Amino acid sequence: DAGVIQSPRHEVTEMGQEVTLRCKPISGHNSLFWYRQTMMRGLELLIYFNNNVPIDDSGMPEDRFSAKMPNASFSTLKIQPSEPRDSAVYFCASRRQMNTEAFFGQGTRLTVV
Amino acid sequence: QQPVQSPQAVILREGEDAVINCSSSKALYSVHWYRQKHGEAPVFLMILLKGGEQKGHDKISASFNEKKQQSSLYLTASQLSYSGTYFCGTEGGAQKLVFGQGTRLTINP
Repeated sequence: DAGVIQSPRHEVTEMGQEVTLRCKPISGHNSLFWYRQTMMRGLELLIYFNNNVPIDDSGMPEDRFSAKMPNASFSTLKIQPSEPRDSAVYFCASRRQMNTEAFFGQGTRLTVV
Repeated sequence: QQPVQSPQAVILREGEDAVINCSSSKALYSVHWYRQKHGEAPVFLMILLKGGEQKGHDKISASFNEKKQQSSLYLTASQLSYSGTYFCGTEGGAQKLVFGQGTRLTINP
């Protein structure tokens, strides 16, 4: 299995631009998580899905952030418009079910200038 | 709500022991432990389920006190390869997995 695949690995964009991060979970996994990692806050949960349905988006910082999971093999996290404080590493993780190991993608390092 | 980890950072010499603590204000179903090397993704170490079972492999073990909503990770006779940032993740229901801020562990020769 190829593991969780995220793209792009690095993204540099100008303030005000739209940014879309992509994630392909492991086949057969029913839960998908989006995390943001910063030095100040560690790994912060933004949103998670079960069976493609968003369950809890209380961690999404603002209306500028949105996430979708149109099918079991693809999810996106969109930031529009982007701001410099959005600069961070964004991780996607998937797992089979509750109380099991979560597998992380390699992350997307986002820099907003 | 994120669990709280302590200490935030630890510096050891190779061969020394370390304990990393994790506590939550909510009732927990399970606690996860992950290690992240610089520039890489977090990697799963172990999961502890309700029941207080202590788990471990090699010289890394962990305990889970569900009544106190606390977990501890024990690293014995640390090796250089143990360096990294350790995260505890907690599940309190609705399959929500949240992580603490991490504990940075540095092992010196």
